Amino acid sequence: AQSVTQLDSQVPVFEEAPVELRCNYSSSVSVYLFWYVQYPNQGLQLLLKYLSGSTLVESINGFEAEFNKSQTSFHLRKPSVHISDTAEYFCAVRTMNYGGSQGNLIFGKGTKLSVKP
Amino acid sequence: NAGVTQTPKFQVLKTGQSMTLQCAQDMNHNSMYWYRQDPGMGLRLIYYSASEGTTDKGEVPNGYNVSRLNKREFSLRLESAAPSQTSVYFCASSEAIRGGIYNEQFFGPGTRLTVL
Repeated sequence: AQSVTQLDSQVPVFEEAPVELRCNYSSSVSVYLFWYVQYPNQGLQLLLKYLSGSTLVESINGFEAEFNKSQTSFHLRKPSVHISDTAEYFCAVRTMNYGGSQGNLIFGKGTKLSVKP
Repeated sequence: NAGVTQTPKFQVLKTGQSMTLQCAQDMNHNSMYWYRQDPGMGLRLIYYSASEGTTDKGEVPNGYNVSRLNKREFSLRLESAAPSQTSVYFCASSEAIRGGIYNEQFFGPGTRLTVL
């Protein structure tokens, strides 16, 4: 069975500091990987995704994540965070099998990023 | 494009009452999903509909029913609400990009439900 582990439930950082939000998954087959962001009292928005190709993927607002197959990880990084990055971040995985649960995502429990001035 | 819309935004029920949460998408997606979000639990799948006319149970289906009314609409019904169903409910949709490979899911703004 697939599972997603986000190792930190809360990450406090100061503005302009670098941050890494960790995500590990377990799956016996190949996967697609996603990071979603949820701002307070809003729905989830896609931040970035890995489907195939380059293992390093980037978002338009400076986040990046690297797919590491050997370590089954997809950690999210940003070299310099802003106050506006304060949100909850969810890692999600979907396997490449074509069984009955096509399209279904398995979510981690989320990491709350708090950026302080 | 409105994307995925949900109604109502907020709802308070008494134990035993019933209600239906509505969801609609205007992206012509085949697949739709209902999740619940609880603090520290992430998102858990309640039911999904891979295509119009089909529905399947997810991780936490007990106490819920769904209807895929047409390609656009997917409703979630609580027949007899319980305090354990107090949660934020999200609807989502997605589409295959090629050969059964699915792209990301698009989420609605959520419904905050409190059961007293």
